[in-house]
Amino acid sequence: SAVISQKPSRDICQRGTSLTIQCQVDSQVTMMFWYRQQPGQSLTLIATANQGSEATYESGFVIDKFPISRPNLTFSTLTVSNMSPEDSSIYLCSVRRGTSVEQYFGPGTRLTVT
Amino acid sequence: GENVEQHPSTLSVQEGDSAVIKCTYSDSASNYFPWYKQELGKRPQLIIDIRSNVGEKKDQRIAVTLNKTAKHFSLHITETQPEDSAVYFCAASTNTGGFKTIFGAGTRLFVKA
Repeated sequence: SAVISQKPSRDICQRGTSLTIQCQVDSQVTMMFWYRQQPGQSLTLIATANQGSEATYESGFVIDKFPISRPNLTFSTLTVSNMSPEDSSIYLCSVRRGTSVEQYFGPGTRLTVT
Repeated sequence: GENVEQHPSTLSVQEGDSAVIKCTYSDSASNYFPWYKQELGKRPQLIIDIRSNVGEKKDQRIAVTLNKTAKHFSLHITETQPEDSAVYFCAASTNTGGFKTIFGAGTRLFVKA
C-alpha cells in the first residue's frame, strides 16, 4: 500500500470562503482520486485528478466549485470554493499505484462550514 | 447509470456468530470487487477483494464470493469479534474507458460481546 497524508485534517470555515486540501503520497502513483463522504453516508467520487491536465469530474461536480490540481505523480490539491453548509463533509484522497487495481485512501479532511 | 446496492444497512450479531453482507452491481463491465472496512473516524481500509475471473476468495475469517452471471457478490465474516464492529462498504470497479469505482451504501455491523 501507499502512505497517504492529507492536510488539513479538519477545518471550520465560514460560508462564502474557500479551502484547499492537500494530498501527498510517499511514492509515485498512477491515479489519484477525490471523494466526498457526507456524515453517515457512502463514498462519492468527485473527480479523477490527472497529472498535467484537467481533472475528470463526475456528474454533479464542476470545476468551478471543486478545482483540482495535480502537478506531479505524488501530490494533488482539491479546493472547495464558495462554501456553504451543504459542503460540510469529509473529503478523502485516494490512489492507485501502477497497474495495480487496489485503491487506498488518505485519512480524510473533515470540513465544517458555518 | 452504474449502481451498487448493498444489504443490509445494519447488522447486529452475537460474538462468535457469522455475518453476511450482500451486494448487487449493475455494470456488466465491472471486473474488480473490493471490500472496505471503516471504523469510526478512520479512513476506509481495503480488507479483501475479488476479481471477475474468480468465484471465491478467503483470508482467515473473511471470505468473498462472486456470481458474475447474477451480478452478486458477498462478504462473509466467521467467528465475529467485537473489533469487527465497523461500517463495511462493497464496491465495483471497471477498468474500461478509465478506472472507476462505485461504492455501495455501507453496512453498519455491530458485534455484541
